[in-house]
Amino acid sequence: DADVTQTPRNRITKTGKRIMLECSQTKGHDRMYWYRQDPGLGLRLIYYSFDVKDINKGEISDGYSVSRQAQAKFSLSLESAIPNQTALYFCATSETGTQPGNEQFFGPGTRLTVL
Amino acid sequence: GQQVMQIPQYQHVQEGEDFTTYCNSSTTLSNIQWYKQRPGGHPVFLIQLVKSGEVKKQKRLTFQFGEAKKNSSLHITATQTTDVGTYFCAGLSGGSNYKLTFGKGTLLTVNP
Repeated sequence: DADVTQTPRNRITKTGKRIMLECSQTKGHDRMYWYRQDPGLGLRLIYYSFDVKDINKGEISDGYSVSRQAQAKFSLSLESAIPNQTALYFCATSETGTQPGNEQFFGPGTRLTVL
Repeated sequence: GQQVMQIPQYQHVQEGEDFTTYCNSSTTLSNIQWYKQRPGGHPVFLIQLVKSGEVKKQKRLTFQFGEAKKNSSLHITATQTTDVGTYFCAGLSGGSNYKLTFGKGTLLTVNP
C-alpha cells in the first residue's frame, strides 16, 4: 500500500497550534477518507470526500477541517490542537464502483501527540 | 446512527487453537468488510461479504454473513503466530453516502 502516503509520520505539537496532515495517493481513486484510531475505540471517520468538489463530515468532525486539493491529495487540519486529539490518524482511499462499499486502502498512518 | 459492535475485545490463544470474532450491527447492512491490522501497521482489507448467508473462505479463515445481514463472524482454524493482530469488521448500511462504520476490533495474540 505504498500507493497511499501520509506526511508527517510522527508529529509532536503543543496545545493551540495549527497542524496539517497530508495524504497523497497514486491509485487514481476518487474517494478519500480520514480516520482517527484510539486504543480500544477502533477507527472513527472524521471526514470523507467522494470527489474533488465533494466534502462530507464523518462522525467526529468537530475540531477538524479538510481540503481536497486534487484527486490525489486530501489534507486534514487541526485549527487549534488540543490534547484529546492525540491519536493515530489514517488516510484511506477507495474506488468509485458500481457496487457500494469497495475495499479501502489505508496509508501508513500519522501518529500525532498534542502536549 | 449505525452502530457496529464487535466481540471479544481481546483474545489470547495458544498456537494451533481456533479463534472467532463476532460482529453485530444495529441496522441491516448492505455489506460487511473485514480488515486486519498488524501491530504497528495499518488496516489491510481481507474480504467483503454481500449476500445474505454468504460464507467465504481464505485458507484457514472463514467469514460468514448472517441471514438477516446484521451479523458476521471471522473464524480462524489452527492459529499461527502470523495471525497476530487486530481484526476489524466494517459495515455499510447503504444510502447515498457509502461510508463504512468500523467495529472496535478484536486484538488476537498467539502464544507459540
